[in-house]
Amino acid sequence: GENVEQHPSTLSVQEGDSAVIKCTYSDSASNYFPWYKQELGKRPQLIIDIRSNVGEKKDQRIAVTLNKTAKHFSLHITETQPEDSAVYFCAVHTGANSKLTFGKGITLSVRP
Amino acid sequence: DTAVSQTPKYLVTQMGNDKSIKCEQNLGHDTMYWYKQDSKKFLKIMFSYNNKELIINETVPNRFSPKSPDKAHLNLHINSLELGDSAVYFCASSQESKGNTEAFFGQGTRLTVV
Repeated sequence: GENVEQHPSTLSVQEGDSAVIKCTYSDSASNYFPWYKQELGKRPQLIIDIRSNVGEKKDQRIAVTLNKTAKHFSLHITETQPEDSAVYFCAVHTGANSKLTFGKGITLSVRP
Repeated sequence: DTAVSQTPKYLVTQMGNDKSIKCEQNLGHDTMYWYKQDSKKFLKIMFSYNNKELIINETVPNRFSPKSPDKAHLNLHINSLELGDSAVYFCASSQESKGNTEAFFGQGTRLTVV
């Protein structure tokens, strides 16, 4: 089955700095790669996603890049703010069996 | 007008009891899921239903039995609850027939087994 690895497991940055979170996957047939943000006590919510026919996507301060050959994709957050502090999950969708597999999550802390 | 709603939000029960969690989505999605989030925050898929048909059944004890009476509902019944079942259970839905779309999560049910 699909194996999704996410690293680092924790990340602490100074407010205003950039944060990069990397995710690797194993199934080359995977075709959809979303990133979810989960604030404390809340539900996971989609912040950005990318499909297999696109290499990069940007939405204001966040961007996602995909390298299908190397089977990894990354979340980039620029000009971090304290409200960016949360757990971030990458996920990989395998269309064959309608399965969305999540990485283990990373706790991002933005120091004011 | 909540998109994915699950009840109850909190559930405290004793070992050995049987309990159910209900989930409903009003998005018209064809696929619904149950995820378990443990104390380490890992989101692990348990079940996936597409148009009321079971698609994914991960290695979950058979004390857990999902039921989908229609496309908009996916309930989870748990028999003989154990301490290790304590976790947050999330229901989610997506529109698989459109391919690779966003999964919307319910607010979660925090289950505590004492």
